Amino acid sequence: GEDVEQSLFLSVREGDSSVINCTYTDSSSTYLYWYKQEPGAGLQLLTYIFSNMDMKQDQRLTVLLNKKDKHLSLRIADTQTGDSAIYFCAPYGGDSSYKLIFGSGTRLLVRP
Amino acid sequence: EAGVAQSPRYKIIEKRQSVAFWCNPISGHATLYWYQQILGQGPKLLIQFQNNGVVDDSQLPKDRFSAERLKGVDSTLKIQPAKLEDSAVYLCASSGETWGSDTQYFGPGTRLTVL
Repeated sequence: GEDVEQSLFLSVREGDSSVINCTYTDSSSTYLYWYKQEPGAGLQLLTYIFSNMDMKQDQRLTVLLNKKDKHLSLRIADTQTGDSAIYFCAPYGGDSSYKLIFGSGTRLLVRP
Repeated sequence: EAGVAQSPRYKIIEKRQSVAFWCNPISGHATLYWYQQILGQGPKLLIQFQNNGVVDDSQLPKDRFSAERLKGVDSTLKIQPAKLEDSAVYLCASSGETWGSDTQYFGPGTRLTVL
């Protein structure tokens, strides 16, 4: 089945850019989502990219997809303390039978 | 538009007791999901409903977990009897046909502690 890997922790200074990386195994995934989870809260949809796109920009967020290497990244420009949270990438579709498959998430800590 | 509602937000029970969680999806969303999120892990799908029918329950521990979605709107997830390893956050999500994808919107979750 689908496997999703993310680095566990990232620390950046306020105002810097953050880059969160994700690798996955199912090359037939049709959509790839990014969700944000703040402490004690559910998952908030941030953005997504369709598998035939290389890049998507949405305000401070830039998603890059390297389909050949099955690598997805989320760049947050001008990172703020309110961006501190856990970020999950979740491929959808393909061999995972149209389920979202989550990795363990990357905890982003933004230092003032 | 109101989001996905869940209750209760927190529940503490002793092992072998039973517990039930409730979810009200976004209005008009036909598909409803229950996930289990153990501390330090990503959510894992337990069951998926399309209207009031089960689409996928392959990862639901059916000896102790049950779920229903009567009338294709609200849903309840029950655990009976609970075990220590059931301590987790139970997330409900719903989806409709938006952007040509089955984008899922999550509720705030119910944090279950089994003592």
